[in-house]
Amino acid sequence: DAGITQSPRHKVTETGTPVTLRCHQTENHRYMYWYRQDPGHGLRLIHYSYGVKDTDKGEVSDGYSVSRSKTEDFLLTLESATSSQTSVYFCAISPSGRMNTGELFFGEGSRLTVL
Amino acid sequence: AQKVTQAQTEISVVEKEDVTLDCVYETRDTTYYLFWYKQPPSGELVFLIRRNSFDEQNEISGRYSWNFQKSTSSFNFTITASQVVDSAVYFCALSEATGANSKLTFGKGITLSVRP
Repeated sequence: DAGITQSPRHKVTETGTPVTLRCHQTENHRYMYWYRQDPGHGLRLIHYSYGVKDTDKGEVSDGYSVSRSKTEDFLLTLESATSSQTSVYFCAISPSGRMNTGELFFGEGSRLTVL
Repeated sequence: AQKVTQAQTEISVVEKEDVTLDCVYETRDTTYYLFWYKQPPSGELVFLIRRNSFDEQNEISGRYSWNFQKSTSSFNFTITASQVVDSAVYFCALSEATGANSKLTFGKGITLSVRP
């Protein structure tokens, strides 16, 4: 158990509304990530964080913003949700100091439906 | 840019058959890491293996084995004597070792169905 919790686990919202997904970890890991999973696309990196207030973009960052004001929380915000953002969102942490030398531990996912 | 290709999208086998899941990768780096993850129907993502680019030894773990061949840029995964519980989506992934902020890139996944 990597101590990762995502909330909410399921959400249905309407186009144009703001949405925030929360990822909480209990282990003080430095690196945290947000991925989205879509059929036919696998997992794609949205944003990641390498410390408090240190974040960077992934390959599909348009329409998303993130914040990390505390080590344990990494928030993903959709300022104005669109139907193309309907997806399953996974938070992950890297238990090693560098993401590329260790496996990622994933949260249980948050299923977002934008109508 | 790094890329992972899993050309097979869906595979269906009968229990006890052996099955190989293919993974081909592209990277300009000489140092990199390769991974396999499993996603069962319950949805969680489970780490299976990590292999670094300097270690071409094949690995076996129970019914699972991995064949890493740098010459063909492949990191294939074989399940021997498959079981229904092996039914899942399997992802291959790659990260380059240059820089602490290098990223993990996933393939599109292979859906494996094992029929009783």
